[in-house]
Amino acid sequence: NAGVMQNPRHLVRRRGQEARLRCSPMKGHSHVYWYRQLPEEGLKFMVYLQKENIIDESGMPKERFSAEFPKEGPSILRIQQVVRGDSAAYFCASSPMGWEQYFGPGTRLTVT
Amino acid sequence: GENVEQHPSTLSVQEGDSAVIKCTYSDSASNYFPWYKQELGKGPQLIIDIRSNVGEKKDQRIAVTLNKTAKHFSLHITETQPEDSAVYFCAAVRADGLTFGKGTHLIIQP
Repeated sequence: NAGVMQNPRHLVRRRGQEARLRCSPMKGHSHVYWYRQLPEEGLKFMVYLQKENIIDESGMPKERFSAEFPKEGPSILRIQQVVRGDSAAYFCASSPMGWEQYFGPGTRLTVT
Repeated sequence: GENVEQHPSTLSVQEGDSAVIKCTYSDSASNYFPWYKQELGKGPQLIIDIRSNVGEKKDQRIAVTLNKTAKHFSLHITETQPEDSAVYFCAAVRADGLTFGKGTHLIIQP
């Protein structure tokens, strides 16, 4: 059973461009979570999704950030008009029931 | 919302000794407490977890204890080995996303 997959692993964007991060959950998992990690810090919850539904987006900035988990395909975290402060590692986790969460390897976003 | 405090931020132990990392949480409604190990450049790896109806859980050299009254939980690693060197995060969950502590950098001295 393949683990959580994220791509790309590294992403470089200029200020003002869009960043699109993808997450494929483990097989059989219908719960997806996105977290952001700044250097030397813990992970901060951003958004929790189930198939076609956003359950909790309380940790996600209201502007420029959006997330989706369509019926078919991976979950997408989109950051529009990126700024330097968006540079971080973004991790996706999946869960079968909403308890144990299994993390992917992350996408390291650098905004230049 | 939930707030999780983790101590110490750095812990150095001799190989073969035990390591203990402690966390406190603020929301008494939290009911699930996982621990993650993160190696450099990788995603967090779930190593052990405990639910609020259990006081202790053990898996080989790793154990977790939970004191619901005091709202704290601890990770115990016995007979530490070089491969235990990593950053360890505790977390608490109430209904949805995990709230993480800031992490403990565990260093195993040879």
